[in-house]
Order: sequence, then C-alpha cells, then structure tokens
Amino acid sequence: RKEVEQDPGPFNVPEGATVAFNCTYSNSASQSFFWYRQDCRKEPKLLMSVYSSGNEDGRFTAQLNRASQYISLLIRDSKLSDSATYLCVVKNGIGGADGLTFGKGTHLIIQP
Amino acid sequence: DAGVTQSPTHLIKTRGQQVTLRCSPKSGHDTVSWYQQALGQGPQFIFQYYEEEERQRGNFPDRFSGHQFPNYSSELNVNALLLGDSALYLCASSFGPMGTQYFGPGTRLLVL
Repeated sequence: RKEVEQDPGPFNVPEGATVAFNCTYSNSASQSFFWYRQDCRKEPKLLMSVYSSGNEDGRFTAQLNRASQYISLLIRDSKLSDSATYLCVVKNGIGGADGLTFGKGTHLIIQP
Repeated sequence: DAGVTQSPTHLIKTRGQQVTLRCSPKSGHDTVSWYQQALGQGPQFIFQYYEEEERQRGNFPDRFSGHQFPNYSSELNVNALLLGDSALYLCASSFGPMGTQYFGPGTRLLVL
C-alpha cells in the first residue's frame, strides 16, 4: 500500500464550480499535513497546511480526519488559474528530521 | 529576498557517468532536502542535510550522496548513472529540519 494515495484524475471542472479532492495516508504516526500545488514543468508550491480543526484560505478549505487517515481539499468558485496538479503531502517528523511524503498528485483542469 | 536556487537547470548525461547538482537555500534557511520527481509521479524524498550532516534518508541507493557547506548550500551527487535516474531533481530549504519546506525550480536530468 502506498504511503499517500490520491485519485490522479484528471478532474475536468467548469469555471465557477466547486471541486473537492481527497487523499489517504497509511502512517498513523504522521504529524503534519499539507497541500502543495504544482504547475506544469514547475516546482511544487505550498498551497496550505492542513489542521485537525479544518482551515480555510480564501476559496480553499482543507480538512483532516485523523481517525480515518483522510485529508481533503475543497476549491470554491474555481478559476482558470486553479488548473494545476494538487499534491497531498504528509510529514512524519521522526527522529528530528523531516522528509516529506508526496502523493502522485491530482490533475485539475478548469474549463471556460 | 532570494528564493531557493538550483543549478544547472538542465543536464544531459550518459549511463555510467557521474553528476553533481547544486542548491542554494532561501535566505535565512539552514536545512536542505533533496527530492527526485519522475514523470507523472510525486516527488520522492532522497535525503535531508542540516548542520552539514545527513539527517534522514529515503529509499535511495548509496549511488546518491550529498554534502552541505558551511553557508548552508548543498550538492547532490549521483554516481554510475542509470537510465532510470532521468527525472526532475528538486531541492527544498527550510528553517530547521522541521520547518516548512520551499522548493527550488529543479534540475532536469536526462540520462541517455
């Protein structure tokens, strides 16, 4: 079983719609969670951290369910510029050093 | 405020050769992590350097080695290159091993 699993998509969504992604992680000791965004042939960029209480940043809402080991990202009022690959990321924080574990990413295409 | 920089941007090598990739962290950051991203995959953690020492290592063979310098910059060395080493190599820097990681633009390596 992969450590972080995501539906690769692509998700084809009309502009203005709401879209939700989710991912699951296998290591119950994982301590930190993130969503990164990666545009074609570019580096990943931090979109938002994910907290147990859920958190919102403008049109983006992230949720974490530790019991189910499930992370979600909701994008409201989607824009053409939201087209990208969204990477679910888990950090285990073991031994005082911190490699990030990435999912394969979910490809989102916003259509005009 | 300079972000993470990497050099070179692109590189072509042949099987069996050796390669050195370089990374300068974001201003104020002291920790460098390296990742390999194959086409269509999420980045995979190679190793992390802090205080000039390798602090954590992912599932990569000893052909992959690194170094961190007193100015916090880092090098990734890959010996005896294989075709499967063709990938985007990403460097991420953070303030401390547990800090939020910010990625550089990457080096695209093609092994022929």
